[in-house]
Amino acid sequence: GAGVSQSPSNKVTEKGKDVELRCDPISGHTALYWYRQRLGQGLEFLIYFQGNSAPDKSGLPSDRFSAERTGESVSTLTIQRTQQEDSAVYLCASRRPGGREQYFGPGTRLTVT
Amino acid sequence: AQKVTQAQTEISVVEKEDVTLDCVYETRDTTYYLFWYKQPPSGELVFLIRRNSFDEQNEISGRYSWNFQKSTSSFNFTITASQVVDSAVYFCALSAIIQGAQKLVFGQGTRLTINP
Repeated sequence: GAGVSQSPSNKVTEKGKDVELRCDPISGHTALYWYRQRLGQGLEFLIYFQGNSAPDKSGLPSDRFSAERTGESVSTLTIQRTQQEDSAVYLCASRRPGGREQYFGPGTRLTVT
Repeated sequence: AQKVTQAQTEISVVEKEDVTLDCVYETRDTTYYLFWYKQPPSGELVFLIRRNSFDEQNEISGRYSWNFQKSTSSFNFTITASQVVDSAVYFCALSAIIQGAQKLVFGQGTRLTINP
């Protein structure tokens, strides 16, 4: 079956603009995660959705970052008033019910100029 | 606190050499899971293996093997007879319940370069 997909694959935006990143999890996967990976760094947890429960937003770095998920499907990560330090690869992952491993999408490379 | 340390930032070896990537973790949980992921130049993280804390049996999959030792809190990854296609960044991760949610805590990664 299809893996996790993300769009766009690359996004270049001007400082101060808003951007929206999309993630399509694997069908049937109830858990969805967003991570940020800065150049040459490890993965930094941003937000976690589990079914219809309230999301865990503890990793969001500022109130400019928000995310939504409709049911157990698509999620969007929105960054408002982008800053140059937001430049990174944003990775989405999903996990099946009862599973332990997360399956990652290809990521969206965001460049803020 | 949950923490994963990959002390080797970069490793470079010649093809066909064996190479071991180190991973040391910290957790107070009695039940936890450890993972290795591969991130090739394309960027997508590829799941390699999961190990449960109550199963210390080592595992071998082709040229890959993993050595889990609870006594030293280590979960090392060895590639035997390395190939150029093994070049990638490798991440070790720990699954932990943090504030009621299951999360992955990643190490900083080890960039492995296999030279022909």
